[in-house]
Amino acid sequence: GAGVSQTPSNKVTEKGKYVELRCDPISGHTALYWYRQSLGQGPEFLIYFQGTGAADDSGLPNDRFFAVRPEGSVSTLKIQRTERGDSAVYLCASSFSLSTEAFFGQGTRLTVV
Amino acid sequence: AQTVTQSQPEMSVQEAETVTLSCTYDTSESDYYLFWYKQPPSRQMILVIRQEAYKQQNATENRFSVNFQKAAKSFSLKISDSQLGDAAMYFCAYRSNSGNTPLVFGKGTRLSVIA
Repeated sequence: GAGVSQTPSNKVTEKGKYVELRCDPISGHTALYWYRQSLGQGPEFLIYFQGTGAADDSGLPNDRFFAVRPEGSVSTLKIQRTERGDSAVYLCASSFSLSTEAFFGQGTRLTVV
Repeated sequence: AQTVTQSQPEMSVQEAETVTLSCTYDTSESDYYLFWYKQPPSRQMILVIRQEAYKQQNATENRFSVNFQKAAKSFSLKISDSQLGDAAMYFCAYRSNSGNTPLVFGKGTRLSVIA
């Protein structure tokens, strides 16, 4: 596609529910990143992929968070047993390689009520 | 760990005037990149300008320029001839060039442009 696409744009869910956030990177980009941006803060790193494998998942806050990229393209961020503190904008970015410019999607605003 | 600090939560500038946004960072590395990103209400982060640490010359992109002071670990953004469309959140970011590391962002500065 022309840019990084994230769906849904907004998601409201009840506390305790499971959610999936999708990221469709720019075609041909091998590196994919997930960030979380809480209100009034800068983006915080969660995880990044090089191809299909998670090269660094040190930013995932706990084991309720998991991400996959099975075919090296689309990635899904999965959050189990959501908590109100998970409410944030989840940003995805992709780049041709780890050393080139990263392009961001418009994010998914997750609200846990 | 690297940290990025933006000490100005909010700034404002008159249309057509010049404004400077501040950023400092902390690192023990010598090879890295610095970036300024713009985030409008659409939420999409847009790269404004980048600076390689090994380059002494300050980067410029049209109305946007930086003042990179490596010894002081300072990386400010100057916006000249400010336009209404420049109003947004601006984030300073750091990325190491050693190993596979993601971007580290500051907390951002909200820029308002007054007509």
